Amino acid sequence: SSELTQDPAVSVALGQTVRITCQGDSLRTYFVGWYQQKPRQAPLLVVYGRDNRPSGIPDRFSGSTSGNTATLTITGAQVEDEADYYCNCRDSFGNHVFGGGTTVTVL
Amino acid sequence: QQLLQESGPGLMKPSETLSLSCGVSGVSISHINYLWAWIRQSPGKGLEWIASIYYTGTPYYNSSLKSRISVSIDTSRSRFSLRLTSLTGADTAVYYCAREWGEGTGWFLDSWGQGTLVTVSS
Repeated sequence: SSELTQDPAVSVALGQTVRITCQGDSLRTYFVGWYQQKPRQAPLLVVYGRDNRPSGIPDRFSGSTSGNTATLTITGAQVEDEADYYCNCRDSFGNHVFGGGTTVTVL
Repeated sequence: QQLLQESGPGLMKPSETLSLSCGVSGVSISHINYLWAWIRQSPGKGLEWIASIYYTGTPYYNSSLKSRISVSIDTSRSRFSLRLTSLTGADTAVYYCAREWGEGTGWFLDSWGQGTLVTVSS
């Protein structure tokens, strides 16, 4: 299957750790990218590959993959981390596949 | 600092053909490490990749949209374009252009335009 599955929503207390998961067979073969999207803004790449962050992304964002599951971890969540998060990878047909997105609420 | 900027009509009628363009600045559109991509997002929905194109003109299309889409690139003007035919209301979305690059087995969209809303309505 070329689908990527994410939980629709998750909440986290301020300063605590939240994990956002993404499941799909393509993750066994292809590296994942994680995107943060705030309302009325374009998505922003926050984590990619094994566990890399683009310049300017805080180190509280990290990623991992095991088997068919990729995880984005926010360690010490901040108010500004409240957003939608999308996972993404290529599939064997060359398509970019996005997960359905997870809305993170910081309490 | 690289910048991508979409341009095109905001309102289209069903059955019409949409043409969007993306201007690229701050980076060479002919850079061998990059692809140039189109992604859309229907109101309140998730992201959908449409297509990507290399500076040589080699395109990569979403299988589900392939019959209706074409992409092109003009390196002399540092622009790339999307054409989507036979529009329906389901094509109403914010359309983004983005830069894509690869590392290992991954391809990542690391720079995005601000997006342009296209509404399909009679």
